[in-house]
Formats: sequence, C-alpha cells, structure tokens
Amino acid sequence: DAKTTQPPSMDCAEGRAANLPCNHSTISGNEYVYWYRQIHSQGPQYIIHGLKNNETNEMASLIITEDRKSSTLILPHATLRDTAVYYCIVRAYNTDKLIFGTGTRLQVFP
Amino acid sequence: DTAVSQTPKYLVTQMGNDKSIKCEQNLGHDTMYWYKQDSKKFLKIMFSYNNKELIINETVPNRFSPKSPDKAHLNLHINSLELGDSAVYFCASSHYTGGGDQETQYFGPGTRLLVL
Repeated sequence: DAKTTQPPSMDCAEGRAANLPCNHSTISGNEYVYWYRQIHSQGPQYIIHGLKNNETNEMASLIITEDRKSSTLILPHATLRDTAVYYCIVRAYNTDKLIFGTGTRLQVFP
Repeated sequence: DTAVSQTPKYLVTQMGNDKSIKCEQNLGHDTMYWYKQDSKKFLKIMFSYNNKELIINETVPNRFSPKSPDKAHLNLHINSLELGDSAVYFCASSHYTGGGDQETQYFGPGTRLLVL
C-alpha cells in the first residue's frame, strides 16, 4: 500500500505557482520522497526526489518539512502542459520498488 | 532517440490467446521493470530484473512470464489471456548504483492491451 496521502485534485491558473502537498507521516529515516507525474496516460515521468533537504531542478522544487512527515512539490510557473496526475512516492534506500498511490490530478487552466 | 520503447503500442486480442509485449531501453541501464495500470488508473509493479536476474515478483498469476534475453530487453509473455488482463502495461528501466540504491526509473510509453 502507498505510504502517502495526497488531495485527489487541484486547480491552478496558468503562470501561477502550483503547490502540491503530500503527507507521509510514517516515513522512516532511510526513505526518500519521490515525485512523478503522468500526463494523459503516457508513461510516468520523474520530476524530483529528496531525503531531508529541499531540492530544486529545472522542472520543480521540493520542500520537505523538518520532521519529514510532509512535503510540497512546487511548479513555479504552471503551464497548460503541466496538467497531469502527480504522484508522491516514498521509497526505501535499499529497494527499487515504487508504490504508486492515487495521486493528485492537477488541472492548469488558462 | 526513444529511451525506453515498447511494442506494440496497442494490442487487441481474444480471450485464451497467448501474446507478448516487448520492451527495449537504450540508456545502458541494468534494471528493468514491468508495471500494470488498470482501468481505475492504479499503477502497480509486477516484475523487476537486474542484469537478467528476477529481483521483484509481485503477486502476479503465473500466466505472466517475463523474459530478459539481455540487459537492454525485458519482454512480457502472457498465456491464456483473460478479460481482467485488459490494462496498460508500462516498462521502465533504471541503474543500480550499489549499496542497495537504485537511480530514478524511466518509463516507456505503454502498451494498451484489450482482451475481448
């Protein structure tokens, strides 16, 4: 079973920041937080991952709370092409198994 | 160039038939996976292979048999297809970095299987 909880859906205006929350209150010390997205039944696409520190790449930023029980994925300037289902996944260091939950369906509108 | 490719993209077949789905990756990865996404959009891992060795084998009927002829290929053979096998099947690959850690997974475009 997925170890994360996400809101089922969110809306965001084009050009604004999209902030997608994820709760992972049972996360343990050697588990990473990963974010993937799936655009209209394409294959899932990796976005970003982190352990303790905040991370940023060309796609997004990941903010992890100090207690690591929750995180937020930030798309700084959402575009219509960011409309997708976003999955927050907790993965242990010593396993390659990704357990996908139900994700958050992000709708970016003009 | 496509990093992870799957063939066919669509597959429509009758119940009881045997079919195969092929996956190839040109990323130089040593680990490959099969995932199944059902009609309710739940995405679940089925198998993973590392250097042609089966690593993960989730609770999947033994009608499903993965075959890895080399590190760049992982095929999925399904015997005696059933209506419930209708789903989208995704292949993925990643690189093992040692110490139990695995790099990020890259997914293929999916194969849409419809069993009639």
